[in-house]
Amino acid sequence: KQEVTQIPAALSVPEGENLVLNCSFTDSAIYNLQWFRQDPGKGLTSLLLIQSSQREQTSGRLNASLDKSSGRSTLYIAASQPGDSATYLCAVKVGETSGSRLTFGEGTQLTVNP
Amino acid sequence: EAGVAQSPRYKIIEKRQSVAFWCNPISGHATLYWYQQILGQGPKLLIQFQNNGVVDDSQLPKDRFSAERLKGVDSTLKIQPAKLEDSAVYLCASSFTRSGELFFGEGSRLTVL
Repeated sequence: KQEVTQIPAALSVPEGENLVLNCSFTDSAIYNLQWFRQDPGKGLTSLLLIQSSQREQTSGRLNASLDKSSGRSTLYIAASQPGDSATYLCAVKVGETSGSRLTFGEGTQLTVNP
Repeated sequence: EAGVAQSPRYKIIEKRQSVAFWCNPISGHATLYWYQQILGQGPKLLIQFQNNGVVDDSQLPKDRFSAERLKGVDSTLKIQPAKLEDSAVYLCASSFTRSGELFFGEGSRLTVL
């Protein structure tokens, strides 16, 4: 059974700081990994999708890396802004078959202080 | 492009009552998911549809939860009878293929008193 862990559970940083969020998973035979952002009372917004054959993906100030062998992914946020405050969730999919499902971590709650 | 639509956004009911949530996925997305998110936790998959067929409902409490996706487009999730522990946000998501990127709706927040 795939288990996904995100550390830390909460993080508070001053504006402008570069930061790293961590995600680890127990089954390294993943098909893809996706990072989401969730604002309070809202649904999930997809940030980055990394296929198993990829090592990283970038979008603006965000960079996500994937190391399947060690069961880890990191989300790097450069020059953080107060608007980045949200909960960040990672989710992994094992296999492309119809029975595969996306398993989520419990998220890291990020606060960026002005 | 319109996103995933869900309704209602909020619902308060008493235990043992019934409730239904509706979801309309992004046009052309064959795969539709219902997730349950309890406060402070990550979403948990309840059911996954591929077109109008169920491909994963192993975590759906079938004694009280049911879902359907008629004609392979919009979907309805029903809870009957509701329990206190069903208080959660019910998220609908869709993807173009079952291995593709997921897009979520705003969610339906259920409070059971």
